[in-house]
Amino acid sequence: AQKITQTQPGMFVQEKEAVTLDCTYDTSDPSYGLFWYKQPSSGEMIFLIYQGSYDQQNATEGRYSLNFQKARKSANLVISASQLGDSAMYFCAMREGLRYSGAGSYQLTFGKGTKLSVIP
Amino acid sequence: DSGVTQTPKHLITATGQRVTLRCSPRSGDLSVYWYQQSLDQGLQFLIQYYNGEERAKGNILERFSAQQFPDLHSELNLSSLELGDSALYFCASSRQGNQPQHFGDGTRLSIL
Repeated sequence: AQKITQTQPGMFVQEKEAVTLDCTYDTSDPSYGLFWYKQPSSGEMIFLIYQGSYDQQNATEGRYSLNFQKARKSANLVISASQLGDSAMYFCAMREGLRYSGAGSYQLTFGKGTKLSVIP
Repeated sequence: DSGVTQTPKHLITATGQRVTLRCSPRSGDLSVYWYQQSLDQGLQFLIQYYNGEERAKGNILERFSAQQFPDLHSELNLSSLELGDSALYFCASSRQGNQPQHFGDGTRLSIL
C-alpha cells in the first residue's frame, strides 16, 4: 500500500482564491511528521510546512496552513489568496519514527505530487 | 536559498561512465540525505549519512555509493551508468532527525 497518496494530479485555481491540496497517509507508527514541499518548474524543492503527529494545533506558515485530521489520516495543504508564483508541483511527504531525536533514520516518503496552476 | 549546495547543476555523460555528485549541507546540519527524482519512480530516498556514518539505505542500486567526509560534505558516486539513471538527484540536510529537511537545487543527470 502507498504510504502517501495525493489523488489530484492537477488542480487549477483563480488568482486570489484559496485552494486545498489533498494528502492522505498510511502508517502504524504513533510518532510521525508530515511535510509539504513546493517544486517550481525550475526544479528546486522548497520546504513549506510541517505537522507533527502529536501537535495539537494545525500548522500555519504565512499563507500556508495544514488541515490535519489524524483520525482520517489526512494532511491537506491549504493555500490562501493564491498568487501566480504559487504555480508549481506540490509534494506531501511523511517521516516515521520521530519518537527519538538525534541521529535516527528519518528519510522522507513522498507522494506523487499535485500540479497546481494559478489562473490570472 | 536553502543553504544546501549541490554541484554540478547539470551533468551529461554516456552509458557505462562514472560520475560524482557533490553536496555541502547547511551550516550545522549533521544529517545528509540523497534522493532521486525520476518520471517513472517519483521521489525516492537513496541513502542517509549522519556525522560521517551511514545511517540508512533506501532504494539505492549497488552501482551507487556515497560517503560523508569529516567536513560533513557528501558525495554520491554513480557508476556503470545506464539510460534509466537519468534523473534529478537531490541532497537534503537537517540538524537532527526530527527537524525539516532542506533540499539543494539538485543535479540533473542526463545519460546519452
